[in-house]
Amino acid sequence: AQSVTQLGSHVSVSEGALVLLRCNYSSSVPPYLFWYVQYPNQGLQLLLKYTTGATLVKGINGFEAEFKKSETSFHLTKPSAHMSDAAEYFCAVRLTNAGKSTFGDGTTLTVKP
Amino acid sequence: EAEVAQSPRYKITEKSQAVAFWCDPISGHATLYWYRQILGQGPELLVQFQDESVVDDSQLPKDRFSAERLKGVDSTLKIQPAELGDSAMYLCASSPDIAGGYTFGSGTRLTVV
Repeated sequence: AQSVTQLGSHVSVSEGALVLLRCNYSSSVPPYLFWYVQYPNQGLQLLLKYTTGATLVKGINGFEAEFKKSETSFHLTKPSAHMSDAAEYFCAVRLTNAGKSTFGDGTTLTVKP
Repeated sequence: EAEVAQSPRYKITEKSQAVAFWCDPISGHATLYWYRQILGQGPELLVQFQDESVVDDSQLPKDRFSAERLKGVDSTLKIQPAELGDSAMYLCASSPDIAGGYTFGSGTRLTVV
């Protein structure tokens, strides 16, 4: 079984500031990990994924995330927030032997001018 | 860029009526998922198809929900009868393989009155 915990349901940053969205997971086998972004009344869009290999993965729109096995974490970061980054972000975990992904409850990112 | 098509985008139905949603995944994606997303929560899996076969429907309320993917391409999710608690966003997603991220459709926003 697997589960995802996103710490902080709401995060607010100023434009140009660092964005840090936290995700911790539990998994009985080595997981695949994903971050998705959702804009109002839209489906989810894949930002980045970790499967194997390099633990620091880069995604679209300047986001990156680091897989830390010892901490069971996969936090999402972006060096400088832009107004267009305001959205809801979901972390997801998938077992390597199954197709089903389990999602966290999401973190709403607000970017202040 | 290839998209997952869903229709309708919005649906309002009365309690106890039947409602159906349609999804056409990206061509060549064998795996198709239906997720339900309640406002303020992450998506939860209802059913997973591999080609035309159901792989996981453990969270599908089978007394009122049904899903089919007859030719292994497009899929229909039905609710009969609808209940007030079914109001949510219904998301369809497809994936090329087990390690790939999902491509989501824009979803169907269902309101049961």
